[in-house]
Amino acid sequence: NAGVTQTPKFRVLKTGQSMTLLCAQDMNHEYMYWYRQDPGMGLRLIHYSVGEGTTAKGEVPDGYNVSRLKKQNFLLGLESAAPSQTSVYFCASSKLPGQGSRFHEQYFGPGTRLTVT
Amino acid sequence: AQKITQTQPGMFVQEKEAVTLDCTYDTSDPSYGLFWYKQPSSGEMIFLIYQGSYDQQNATEGRYSLNFQKARKSANLVISASQLGDSAMYFCAMREENSGGSNYKLTFGKGTLLTVNP
Repeated sequence: NAGVTQTPKFRVLKTGQSMTLLCAQDMNHEYMYWYRQDPGMGLRLIHYSVGEGTTAKGEVPDGYNVSRLKKQNFLLGLESAAPSQTSVYFCASSKLPGQGSRFHEQYFGPGTRLTVT
Repeated sequence: AQKITQTQPGMFVQEKEAVTLDCTYDTSDPSYGLFWYKQPSSGEMIFLIYQGSYDQQNATEGRYSLNFQKARKSANLVISASQLGDSAMYFCAMREENSGGSNYKLTFGKGTLLTVNP
């Protein structure tokens, strides 16, 4: 099991460019999440998905879009990158209640470090 | 108001000693869960321990224990016999299980940077 993987690991963008971050999980989890981590801010939820074909906004959704066309993949898009989106992005996934997880903890990917100049 | 407060930006501890990392939370949801995650310098987020709001006993996982004081809304992490490898950022997080639908999303604190000295 690879768990949760993220592509790419690092990226530098110029202001106004677009890109897509890919998250993949091989644990058959229903729920998937995108967070951003900024210094001194902890992790903040951008968007999440409770199943294939569904997405919802989190705490800081502006400037991002997401798609969950396949259960195992959750894509985060930046249509027009801004310096304020310089951050480390984490994807996470978790099971449905009753799927055998005692705590329904979230499993995190290794992160993507994005710099927007 | 912040839902998760970690008041210690940084903590230092001597190797082999115990250390307590503070976490207070704010919720009106009667059903919630509290988590601690460790983030070493390599960046990955590692799940450490969980406490449910209805759990009668404090959670323990090896050298980690959670000092859960429900009336005070605190969920402090205790690490016993600190090791050099415990040096990392530690995050407290909460899942409110009845609000906002069944999305199981987490709200994180800002973290505490623990340094273990030899």
